[in-house]
Amino acid sequence: GDSVTQMEGPVTLSEEAFLTINCTYTATGYPSLFWYVQYPGEGLQLLLKATKADDKGSNKGFEATYRKETTSFHLEKGSVQVSDSAVYFCALSDLVDSSYKLIFGSGTRLLVRP
Amino acid sequence: DTGVSQDPRHKITKRGQNVTFRCDPISEHNRLYWYRQTLGQGPEFLTYFQNEAQLEKSRLLSDRFSAERPKGSFSTLEIQRTEQGDSAMYLCASSFRSDTQYFGPGTRLTVL
Repeated sequence: GDSVTQMEGPVTLSEEAFLTINCTYTATGYPSLFWYVQYPGEGLQLLLKATKADDKGSNKGFEATYRKETTSFHLEKGSVQVSDSAVYFCALSDLVDSSYKLIFGSGTRLLVRP
Repeated sequence: DTGVSQDPRHKITKRGQNVTFRCDPISEHNRLYWYRQTLGQGPEFLTYFQNEAQLEKSRLLSDRFSAERPKGSFSTLEIQRTEQGDSAMYLCASSFRSDTQYFGPGTRLTVL
């Protein structure tokens, strides 16, 4: 079945450092790919998405490119802030599945130190 | 657009009791999803509705779980005879057709 694999955390960075969180996927069909962020005690917020190969999703300085050849959707940010500390989830929704349910990775906790 | 809301935000219950959670989706969103998230894990799909019809249920949804969405508006998720293993965050999300899912704040269930 479809699955998502994320790098294990926690990832600890100093403010203004470069961030990469790796995400790879397996899918039987044609997935849309997502990054969601979860702040402590809250639900998930959509960070960015990409719906087809070579698309780049971007939001709030975060970017991720849909790489079909490597089945990857790595999250990057050039300069992290303390306020970016949260748990980040990579997810897919396979278009061959009529429910469009999301399949999530296990999450990567990011801690940014001042 | 007030976003997806869930009630209650926290629920503590004793093993064997029944609990019910409510989700109010974004208005005019025809799809509604329930997910369960345990500590340190990503959310896992439980079930989804298109309008008032429940179209898919995960194997995670045992016979003790039941969900409804009367009139295609709000939804309820009931757990009967709760067990300690039911302790988790229960998340609701809604979408319009196949578009992006938007999540509520979740209901955290603790079963003692």
